[in-house]
Amino acid sequence: DIQMTQSSSSFSVSLGDRVTITCKASEDIYNRLAWYQQKPGNAPRLLISGATSLETGVPSRFSGSGSGKDYTLSITSLQTEDVATYYCQQYWSTPPTFGGGTKLEIK
Amino acid sequence: QVQLKESGPGLVAPSQSLSITCTVSGFSLTSYGVHWVRQPPGKGLEWLGVIWAGGSTNYNSALMSRLSISKDNSKSQVFLKMNSLQTDDTAMYYCARDPLYYGNYWYFDVWGAGTTVTVSS
Repeated sequence: DIQMTQSSSSFSVSLGDRVTITCKASEDIYNRLAWYQQKPGNAPRLLISGATSLETGVPSRFSGSGSGKDYTLSITSLQTEDVATYYCQQYWSTPPTFGGGTKLEIK
Repeated sequence: QVQLKESGPGLVAPSQSLSITCTVSGFSLTSYGVHWVRQPPGKGLEWLGVIWAGGSTNYNSALMSRLSISKDNSKSQVFLKMNSLQTDDTAMYYCARDPLYYGNYWYFDVWGAGTTVTVSS
C-alpha cells in the first residue's frame, strides 16, 4: 500500500495567515491526489482532486500543487471557517490511502 | 441534490456482526460507485471497500475476510456487513460516492454524515 505522510499533525495559525499543508507519498502518485476538509462533528468534504482542481463551491483561497511524491494544500488569508483538519488521499493505486491529517488551530 | 445517509445499530457486542445501510438520493446506483470509509474516535480515515455501478466489489485486504458490501439498486441502498467485531472496530462509518459516472476514480466527492458504531459489551 502507498503510505501518505502529512508531516505536521497540527499547528497554530493566525487569521489572515497564508497556510501551507504538506503531504508526501511513499512513491510517485502521478497527481492522483485529493484533499479533504473535516470540521469537528462533520464528514470530510472534498476540496481538491487531481492535485490542483478545485471542487465547485470551494473558495478560491484554497489551492493545491505538487507532483511526483510531494503535494501541498495552500490557504491564502486564513478565515475562521477554515479551522479544521485536512487530509490528503492518494488514488493512484488501490487501496486508496489517507494521510494522518493536519489540524489547524487559531493562535 | 446528491445525498447519502447511513443508518446503523449504534452499539454492537464484541464478536457480533455489524450491518449498516447507506440510502442515496439524487443519483443512481446503476451509474456510480459507493465506497465505505471509517474513522475511529480522534483518529484518521480508513478505506474499507467499494461497490461499483455494475455490482462488482473491492475490499481493503486487511478486512476482506470480515467484510461484505452489497446493494439494492431499486431501493437506492448500499449495505455494509462486517463480522466478528472487536473494540478496535469502534468508529464512525461513512459511505461516500465515487465521482466518475460509470467508472472508477477511487476518491470521494460526496459523503454521508456517518453513523457511529461502538463495539462494547
